Amino acid sequence: NAGVTQTPKFRVLKTGQSMTLLCAQDMNHEYMYWYRQDPGMGLRLIHYSVGEGTTAKGEVPDGYNVSRLKKQNFLLGLESAAPSQTSVYFCASNKGRTSAMNTEAFFGQGTRLTVV
Amino acid sequence: QQPVQSPQAVILREGEDAVINCSSSKALYSVHWYRQKHGEAPVFLMILLKGGEQKGHEKISASFNEKKQQSSLYLTASQLSYSGTYFCGTQYGNKLVFGAGTILRVKS
Repeated sequence: NAGVTQTPKFRVLKTGQSMTLLCAQDMNHEYMYWYRQDPGMGLRLIHYSVGEGTTAKGEVPDGYNVSRLKKQNFLLGLESAAPSQTSVYFCASNKGRTSAMNTEAFFGQGTRLTVV
Repeated sequence: QQPVQSPQAVILREGEDAVINCSSSKALYSVHWYRQKHGEAPVFLMILLKGGEQKGHEKISASFNEKKQQSSLYLTASQLSYSGTYFCGTQYGNKLVFGAGTILRVKS
């Protein structure tokens, strides 16, 4: 059972380049989330999805876009990368609306992104 | 808006106890606790529900005060393996948001 898988694990981008981070889960979870982690800032929510075909903004959405075309996949896109987007990105998932308030979230192993 | 955690960091010797607090300006219906080791993903420890139900880790306990909108994580007789960053999280509507974390270091 793989759980939550993120690809790639590491990436270096030049300013202005674009890229997509992929998150895949095999637990049939409805809810999926993208976070960024910076020193001293904890896990800040970028975007989230409550089901296939839905997305919504989190706390720090600027500069990012997301898509959830399939239930198991949640993609995070950077259209024009900036050095301020250098961070570790984590994807997480948990069960649907009636359960999200009392079930654990499972995290991927993270993607370390550096923008130079 | 993130939950607020305190302290930001704590250093313990093996066998000592620690308390990590989490508070929210919004109503709390449940609180999650996670631990993250350096370079790894956060791992679930415990969840506390409104009404007092607790699920989670056998060696770490927690409390949830709904009136004060606070939760506390209790680590007793700490071990070296307890070292890491502890996060509290809560579900605001459909958003799962986390505090800034508490760095715990246990020394031998």
